[in-house]
Amino acid sequence: GENVEQHPSTLSVQEGDSAVIKCTYSDSASNYFPWYKQELGKRPQLIIDIRSNVGEKKDQRIAVTLNKTAKHFSLHITETQPEDSAVYFCAATNGGNQFYFGTGTSLTVIP
Amino acid sequence: DSGVTQTPKHLITATGQRVTLRCSPRSGDLSVYWYQQSLDQGLQFLIQYYNGEERAKGNILERFSAQQFPDLHSELNLSSLELGDSALYFCASSVGSSGTRETQYFGPGTRLLVL
Repeated sequence: GENVEQHPSTLSVQEGDSAVIKCTYSDSASNYFPWYKQELGKRPQLIIDIRSNVGEKKDQRIAVTLNKTAKHFSLHITETQPEDSAVYFCAATNGGNQFYFGTGTSLTVIP
Repeated sequence: DSGVTQTPKHLITATGQRVTLRCSPRSGDLSVYWYQQSLDQGLQFLIQYYNGEERAKGNILERFSAQQFPDLHSELNLSSLELGDSALYFCASSVGSSGTRETQYFGPGTRLLVL
């Protein structure tokens, strides 16, 4: 089956700086890669996703890039704000509805 | 608020017992997904139901089972509970059957503690 690895497990940045979280996957058939944000004690929420026919997608301060050859995808958050502090999860699926999640990155934005 | 509801919010039980977790999807959503989130295993997909039928299966133990009823609510049954089953259990719902085409909306979760 698919194996998704996520790095780093913790990340601290100064407010206004950029944050980058990276994930790798093993199954070349995976074609959909969502990112979820989970605030402390709350439910995961989809923040951005990318499909395998696209190399990059951007939504305001958040962007995701995908390198199918290397089998890795990354989340980029620019101009970070304290409210960006949360745990971020990447996931991958080959369209079979079974999602494989990374182990999460705890992001802390220091004011 | 995502519109997905889960009950109970918290559950404390003993090893060997059986519990039932309940999920009501958003109005109009036909798919329900169950996830387990634990400290050492992260977020793991368990199973998906679409309009009453099992659609996809993940790392769900044989001691666990689920079903989706005609009114589209779903129940996750956990039996012969072990300490390692302590976790946060989320359900999510989406409109259709494809998890790759629609956003999944997560419920608030049920925190299960097995003593």
